Formats: sequence, C-alpha cells, structure tokens
Amino acid sequence: DAGITQSPRHKVTETGTPVTLRCHQTENHRYMYWYRQDPGHGLRLIHYSYGVKDTDKGEVSDGYSVSRSKTEDFLLTLESATSSQTSVYFCAISESRERPDTQYFGPGTRLTVL
Amino acid sequence: RKEVEQDPGPFNVPEGATVAFNCTYSNSASQSFFWYRQDCRKEPKLLMSVYSSGNEDGRFTAQLNRASQYISLLIRDSKLSDSATYLCVVRREMDSNYQLIWGAGTKLIIKP
Repeated sequence: DAGITQSPRHKVTETGTPVTLRCHQTENHRYMYWYRQDPGHGLRLIHYSYGVKDTDKGEVSDGYSVSRSKTEDFLLTLESATSSQTSVYFCAISESRERPDTQYFGPGTRLTVL
Repeated sequence: RKEVEQDPGPFNVPEGATVAFNCTYSNSASQSFFWYRQDCRKEPKLLMSVYSSGNEDGRFTAQLNRASQYISLLIRDSKLSDSATYLCVVRREMDSNYQLIWGAGTKLIIKP
C-alpha cells in the first residue's frame, strides 16, 4: 500500500470553529489532492497541489484553504466549519496529474460539524 | 443531471453468480475511464482501467461503449469478498487541464 496517512481519522467539532486536516505521504509524489465524499455524490475535488507551495482550486473549494510547505505534507483548513462540511475527507497522491490510475488514497478522515 | 451516473443499488447477488453494472457519462469529450472499488468505510482503490477494446482481469471484464456513452463492469463467479461499492471514474480535458469526474458508486452485496 502507498504510504499515505491522514490525521485525525475522526473529528467532531462545532460550527464556527477552525479545523485542520493533515495528509502525510512517504512516496515523494508530486501531486496531492483533497476530496470530500458525501452520500449520493461522487468524490469531489476540493484543492490539489502540484508542488511545494503550488496549489489550485478544485470544484468545491469554497470554505476551504490548503497549504503545502513540504513535499510530504498537505494541509486542509476549514477556517470556520459549517454543518455542510460534515463529510468524509480523502487525501490522494499521484505521480502524474494525467494518469488517475496512478492515484492512491489515504484512509480518510470523518468530520462531523455540529 | 449528473455528468457521471451509476445505479446506486444495492445489487444483491448469490455467490457464484455473474453480475454486471453500467456507468453512463454525458460529456462526449471524456477520454479515459476507470473502475475503483471501495470497501465499507475504507478508501477507494483502483480496480481496473477501461480500454477502448475492452479488457479483462481475472473474473472482471470492463467494456466501453463510446457510441452510447457508457462503461460496464462484469464480475463472473462472484465471491463474498467482491462485496463493495464500485465507483466509475471518467477523465476529461477541460481548459488545457484534466478533470476527474466520479460516479457516486454502485453497491454490490454478495450473499452466501
């Protein structure tokens, strides 16, 4: 299995509080992604990174920010969590942006915003 | 209408049976296609890519029908361990960038 970890694995928080999720990889892959998964929806891309300090928005980026100060770490921050951000968050890594079959996922973080 | 659609299921199938499900996509610019498998409360994992001529990997066969804009996954001699949700993924180019569109998944339950 690809070396990807996410922390925390579970979190319950209250509306309006800031939350940071961490993704850590040991594969030295260039690309890192944050997705959210909700019932009835496919995975939706929040943000992705194509290198240290290089990030771009995905299709559902509102309310989220990211940072990548090291190759191995990609942080997702909810500045002021809302109940609509209750979801399962997956981090993924890949060597190539053009090859989704090279994309590997972390174990996920279950976030509940009360 | 969603760009990538899957029957959510669940498909309840007896062990040893053959089961097939489809995934339809609406954007004809879609270029590449994949099936992922996701076990309950786990991360998605690549099952197989889908090639234009169709491809097989053991008990699994994937096919692409560009004219009707759907891909299919067929599982023969189903095992209890095949119980999972199967996600369809479509890659397309948009504004000189690539985008992956994920289906919501089809849940498969294999019964003894």
